[in-house]
Amino acid sequence: EADIYQTPRYLVIGTGKKITLECSQTMGHDKMYWYQQDPGMELHLIHYSYGVNSTEKGDLSSESTVSRIRTEHFPLTLESARPSHTSQYLCASSRQGDDEQFFGPGTRLTVL
Amino acid sequence: AQRVTQPEKLLSVFKGAPVELKCNYSYSGSPELFWYVQYSRQRLQLLLRHISRESIKGFTADLNKGETSFHLKKPFAQEEDSAMYYCAVSGSARQLTFGSGTQLTVLP
Repeated sequence: EADIYQTPRYLVIGTGKKITLECSQTMGHDKMYWYQQDPGMELHLIHYSYGVNSTEKGDLSSESTVSRIRTEHFPLTLESARPSHTSQYLCASSRQGDDEQFFGPGTRLTVL
Repeated sequence: AQRVTQPEKLLSVFKGAPVELKCNYSYSGSPELFWYVQYSRQRLQLLLRHISRESIKGFTADLNKGETSFHLKKPFAQEEDSAMYYCAVSGSARQLTFGSGTQLTVLP
């Protein structure tokens, strides 16, 4: 079934740890996105990709990095987690030429 | 830069009453407008987009270019409509800019 998957769904980790948030989609979409969202607030675009080996930074400055080696996979990495990284991270994808985005279930990250 | 304003963070109405969630945008070109909804413990999903001109779950939204608004309306609210609603605009960069959201509560 076509879907967007994010793992883990919840992560509690200590300061200084390296973490990778996984995002995979079986939608056949070329474009993928990462958003950061604090509770009750707007979504902020932090990274996007229009295809393999293409990654760009979004509007919100982020210390995270992303990679796009395969069309279906768009992982986000934090080299050294800090409490200020505590947030919900949403992954999304869309078809080429269409602005409608489909969202994954999100990863709620807590850095102690 | 494109911007979306949703002036109401919280909105409560009684079941059966009309509901209107406000959305104003700023963008100089021809934008595409969307409403996304997030029900409790579910993922964010598209409710409707202005180019489709559809009514989804009884909701409609009309793009008013003169007032740069895209308000979401439903004549008779239901309890299952309680959710977080986000308005979003897409411009020449083909990316979505989201508003801060409105939490709608429909009271019995």
